[in-house]
Amino acid sequence: QLVLTQSPSASASLGASVKLTCTLSSGHSSYAIAWHQQQPEKGPRYLMKLNSDGSHSKGDGIPDRFSGSSSGAERYLTISSLQSEDEADYYCQTWGTGIGVFGTGTKVTVL
Amino acid sequence: QLQLQESGPGLVKPSETLSLTCTVSGGSISSSTYYWGWIRQPPGKGLEWIGSIYYSGNTYYNPSLKSRVTISVDTSKNQFSLKLSSVTAADTAVYFCARHVGVWEQQLYYYYYYMDVWGKGTTVTVSS
Repeated sequence: QLVLTQSPSASASLGASVKLTCTLSSGHSSYAIAWHQQQPEKGPRYLMKLNSDGSHSKGDGIPDRFSGSSSGAERYLTISSLQSEDEADYYCQTWGTGIGVFGTGTKVTVL
Repeated sequence: QLQLQESGPGLVKPSETLSLTCTVSGGSISSSTYYWGWIRQPPGKGLEWIGSIYYSGNTYYNPSLKSRVTISVDTSKNQFSLKLSSVTAADTAVYFCARHVGVWEQQLYYYYYYMDVWGKGTTVTVSS
């Protein structure tokens, strides 16, 4: 079964960096994912599609502070130079056989 | 600039059918690259994918909801719709519509879809 696992929370200081992890279930390490950001009381916003080789394509207007990388079954989102507006929930998403799958989300707190 | 806007009743009675429409502006729903879909978020919880539709009418549904869900498309109005039958309080959520981009994944030999444009969402409460 295709499952995405995310840590519930992460935090870092203003101006620092934070690295979020999304882990694909066993047997699915070649799958691409997408990262989405959801700021408080807003709809989700597409950040990037991230392939298994670490290549990624970002959405329009997404700052360079957001980057993606991959290692095995893990997909990462790194946010550099954290800003207050980066405080949000971050979801990874993938696609199985005719079904969309979301991770449980990681809440990022900017200290 | 593509925009999606959800609309529909904010309150639905238990056992009735929830009906929502997503209007697409700034682009055509008949584009060959995209599916169009629905995602929901119960209060305080994460995102759940409901299903998606191609402009020709081909659909994908979440197996956990498939028996109650119907997604349809009206290309003349550039809209697609969601119907969820026999609702209960567990269907109370914010419902989002989103464009799904299709990418051919050669290594896995299948089409991969991800959401690249989202609506702002509409809150639906199931209550008598």
